[in-house]
Amino acid sequence: EMQLVESGGGLVQPGGSLRLSCEVSGIIFSDYWMNWVRQAPGKGLEWVANIRQDGSEKSYLDSVKGRFTISRDNAKNSLYLQMSSLRAEDTAVYYCAGGLGADYWGPGTLVTVSP
Amino acid sequence: DIQMTQSPSSLSASVGDRVTITCRASQDIGLYLAWFQQKPGKAPRSLISTVRNLQGWVPSRFSGSGSGTEFTLTISSLQSEDYATYYCQQYLNYPFTFGPGTKVDI
Repeated sequence: EMQLVESGGGLVQPGGSLRLSCEVSGIIFSDYWMNWVRQAPGKGLEWVANIRQDGSEKSYLDSVKGRFTISRDNAKNSLYLQMSSLRAEDTAVYYCAGGLGADYWGPGTLVTVSP
Repeated sequence: DIQMTQSPSSLSASVGDRVTITCRASQDIGLYLAWFQQKPGKAPRSLISTVRNLQGWVPSRFSGSGSGTEFTLTISSLQSEDYATYYCQQYLNYPFTFGPGTKVDI
């Protein structure tokens, strides 16, 4: 079964940048689509981005297009989310989720965008 | 974007009750519908994929049904550990979208 662990969250000022990582184990990472999903404090779930198994296809939520970049390194079994021009409304717990239908989830990492 | 709605937004039920949650999509999503369970302070967990396929950890009291635009999550006999918020999600078209959630209180 897939195990996922996110890292890289923290406090960042508006306009700043942050890179999230997700280390995956327990499965053949290169067999899976991978997603980032976020949850603002007290709110519901919001899909952010995903990436095809070989990295050839990437899709994004409109509100993060041009600011966030999803990538993966299949040799390192790792997924990344490079976030720039961060806004207060990006404050959330960010989860990585494995599989096109998000069958597996990590525990999440908190990103707080605040002066 | 495909809009997902859920009803009810919350419910209170007793142990042993049959519970049904409805999820509706603003357009036909075929079978690309998943359900997730989230307990307070925890990450979501996948319950069901492609409308009716239970994940390995999920007890048989959970079931999913539907197609097209209307879907149902049923808990046949509610247990205390089922207290959680339940979300549906479509993964046919981008952006993938979640319903607003249904909170189940025991």
